[in-house]
Order: sequence, then C-alpha cells, then structure tokens
Amino acid sequence: KAGVTQTPRYLIKTRGQQVTLSCSPISGHRSVSWYQQTPGQGLQFLFEYFSETQRNKGNFPGRFSGRQFSNSRSEMNVSTLELGDSALYLCASSLRGMGTGELFFGEGSRLTVL
Amino acid sequence: SQQGEEDPQALSIQEGENATMNCSYKTSINNLQWYRQNSGRGLVHLILIRSNEREKHSGRLRVTLDTSKKSSSLLITASRAADTASYFCAIGSGNTGKLIFGQGTTLQVKP
Repeated sequence: KAGVTQTPRYLIKTRGQQVTLSCSPISGHRSVSWYQQTPGQGLQFLFEYFSETQRNKGNFPGRFSGRQFSNSRSEMNVSTLELGDSALYLCASSLRGMGTGELFFGEGSRLTVL
Repeated sequence: SQQGEEDPQALSIQEGENATMNCSYKTSINNLQWYRQNSGRGLVHLILIRSNEREKHSGRLRVTLDTSKKSSSLLITASRAADTASYFCAIGSGNTGKLIFGQGTTLQVKP
C-alpha cells in the first residue's frame, strides 16, 4: 500500500507570495491532518479534514487554509507569506480521525520564505 | 494546555544502554501515542496506549501510562545507534478529537 505523498518536497518563496501544498493520503483513509513544524514552536496543529469537511482547526491566522477533495487528497494554502512561515509542513492521514488512532505521516514539504 | 510536556529535552547515551523519556499532560485523554522522527523526515508511529491501559510493549519499546499522575514514559531497551532520533508524545483528546504533540526529546545513541 502506498504511503502518504506530499508535494512539493522543497520550495522557496518570497514574502507576500502564496503557496499551495498537496497531500495524497493512504488509500481508504478519510482523515487528513496538517501540522507545521519549526525549531522554535515544534509541531503545531493546523487543521484536520475528514470526508471533505474541516473537522478541527488549530490557532493559525486566516492566511492558512485548506481543503479536501472527494478522493481524500488535500491541499493547504498559505497566502501573503511571511518570513515566519518558513517551516516543514507535514500532513498525516488516518482511517477514523486524528484523535482516535495512529497517524501516518508524509515526508513533508519544506518551505523557505525569503 | 493539552500539549504534552516531555522530559528530558535531550538525552545522550551509549549503545546498549536503556533510554527513558517522559511525557506529562494536563487534560483528560482518549489515548497517548509515541512517534519517532529522523532529522528532517516525517514522523513514524511507534505505539499507542489507550486511557484504560497501563503498559504496552512493542519489541524493544515499553510504554507506561499513569492517568492519575497524567504522565507516560517510553523506555527503549538495549539502544542502538540507529535509534538516534527525536521522539514525540502525542495526546489524543476524546473531547476535541485532536492529536496534539509535545516538544519532543532528542535522543543520541553513541556507538
């Protein structure tokens, strides 16, 4: 069974631009969660989508948004990029939801904002 | 905060020794999970322990959970250089449905 796939793996943007990251979950998994990882803040929860609906949300500004498609693939978008958005963005899929069982993580998308 | 607090932040041991990491939390939990992350990579699930369980084993891993003290520990026995990684506890909340990660413990195992 293929694992969680995140694209792109690396990207460089400048302040003010926007970025879209993609996540393909494990086949059959309906939940996709997104996390931001930085050296200073650690792993911060962004949001969770389940069957195309946002089910949980972390404490991030509205510049961070996401969606999930009918095939469970998910995208997250960050608009008006700031230097502090430089981070490793991780997505994870699960069968029944993030709080109930094991999460399967992708390798992450490393975003650098200049 | 639901976030787990881990202790120690960093741990350095020799190969063959045991490594113990601790996680404390403040709210009620549905489950508590441990994950491992090699530098710059995604996280890998190690073990999940439910709120009504006290101890679980998986290979060289042993996890305990004390809900009265709101704490958990991860023991890695007979450590290997390949165990060098960051280890995170994650709190699965039954109330919010979220899985919130601690700050992690960085383990270095010297050959």
